[in-house]
Amino acid sequence: KNQVEQSPQSLIILEGKNCTLQCNYTVSPFSNLRWYKQDTGRGPVSLTIMTFSENTKSNGRYTATLDADTKQSSLHITASQLSDSASYICVVSRADTDKLIFGTGTRLQVFP
Amino acid sequence: KAGVTQTPRYLIKTRGQQVTLSCSPISGHRSVSWYQQTPGQGLQFLFEYFSETQRNKGNFPGRFSGRQFSNSRSEMNVSTLELGDSALYLCASSTLTGLETQYFGPGTRLLVL
Repeated sequence: KNQVEQSPQSLIILEGKNCTLQCNYTVSPFSNLRWYKQDTGRGPVSLTIMTFSENTKSNGRYTATLDADTKQSSLHITASQLSDSASYICVVSRADTDKLIFGTGTRLQVFP
Repeated sequence: KAGVTQTPRYLIKTRGQQVTLSCSPISGHRSVSWYQQTPGQGLQFLFEYFSETQRNKGNFPGRFSGRQFSNSRSEMNVSTLELGDSALYLCASSTLTGLETQYFGPGTRLLVL
């Protein structure tokens, strides 16, 4: 079954600290993996998109890694800010249908 | 460049009614996808339209339908509303399908009483 699982479900960190969010998937055949940030009450915003051949991709303080062999991805946030408080959603695209399979997200709260 | 716009932003309906939601993609974008987001299920794909043709469809009942117009604007219709249809409905647009970045609208929050 094509699934995308994220951990932890929720996370609380202090401002300025780093954190890492995990995404494991069983989607096959694999096309690409995306990380989205969704602020409360708003639509998701794309952070990174990675294909099979890409191991890491950065977008400012956000760095995503992909291990296509183990089917794992992580999103590392450096020097967190209050504005990082949001849900982070991992999305995997199937190569045969282009369908996007969404994880249920990690809810991150950054406290001062 | 204006972003993806969705109307209405909020909607209250009763069971058995039908509803039509509208999405205007970013200018130049020809692909429009619709998603349902609920606290328990997360984001779930409804369908995708590209150049007025439905290209992909999720696992939702036939009560959920959509269409796309020649100007790429899209509408989603839900007939015979059920309580479980209460959700945030998101629309996303992109230039093509596949690896392109999707840009999401703010969503329409539907409450079914």
